[in-house]
Amino acid sequence: DTEVTQTPKHLVMGMTNKKSLKCEQHMGHRAMYWYKQKAKKPPELMFVYSYEKLSINESVPSRFSPECPNSSLLNLHLHALQPEDSALYLCASSYHRAGANVLTFGAGSRLTVL
Amino acid sequence: RKEVEQDPGPFNVPEGATVAFNCTYSNSASQSFFWYRQDCRKEPKLLMSVYSSGNEDGRFTAQLNRASQYISLLIRDSKLSDSATYLCVAPPGGGGADGLTFGKGTHLIIQP
Repeated sequence: DTEVTQTPKHLVMGMTNKKSLKCEQHMGHRAMYWYKQKAKKPPELMFVYSYEKLSINESVPSRFSPECPNSSLLNLHLHALQPEDSALYLCASSYHRAGANVLTFGAGSRLTVL
Repeated sequence: RKEVEQDPGPFNVPEGATVAFNCTYSNSASQSFFWYRQDCRKEPKLLMSVYSSGNEDGRFTAQLNRASQYISLLIRDSKLSDSATYLCVAPPGGGGADGLTFGKGTHLIIQP
């Protein structure tokens, strides 16, 4: 079982809906991430939170809104999405070793936008 | 030039064979490197870390060539269960909560 828990595993939503993806880790990691992955492509970085503050936003459209309520939780609020936003959304947390961040991923939330 | 480049494959390899593939990186300041494995419709999982010249873990060997700026992954006595996509990561270095950029991945298919 993964140590990063994501809910829901699957989500289907219309373009006018508002929904949220949730991510939780209890490993004491102080950095958390959202990645988006389309089929047959590598994960693409969306957001990075470090010590509960947003440190990186990779020019993600505002219809994706991240939130980090505390050091264990990371949310991704979704509003007015487009069908091309359908993808696997991966949450990760990391610890630091030898000058780099080592990621642990959750199982992902598979999103379909109709 | 992209940060990390990989041959996407697929590499079709008979069971029991040895297979190797490379990952080139552009940032000479990178100090640590990682191979992640991703099974179909699953999340990436850390396979190996490389902090110096290389690392070996059972049938898997990762090697770093700083002069030519690439890392390699060697799999010996390949098993059917080794079929997966192997993603390379070369963090830019310098610490901080850098978001990791993945290579496109190499798709490996082990055939019976």
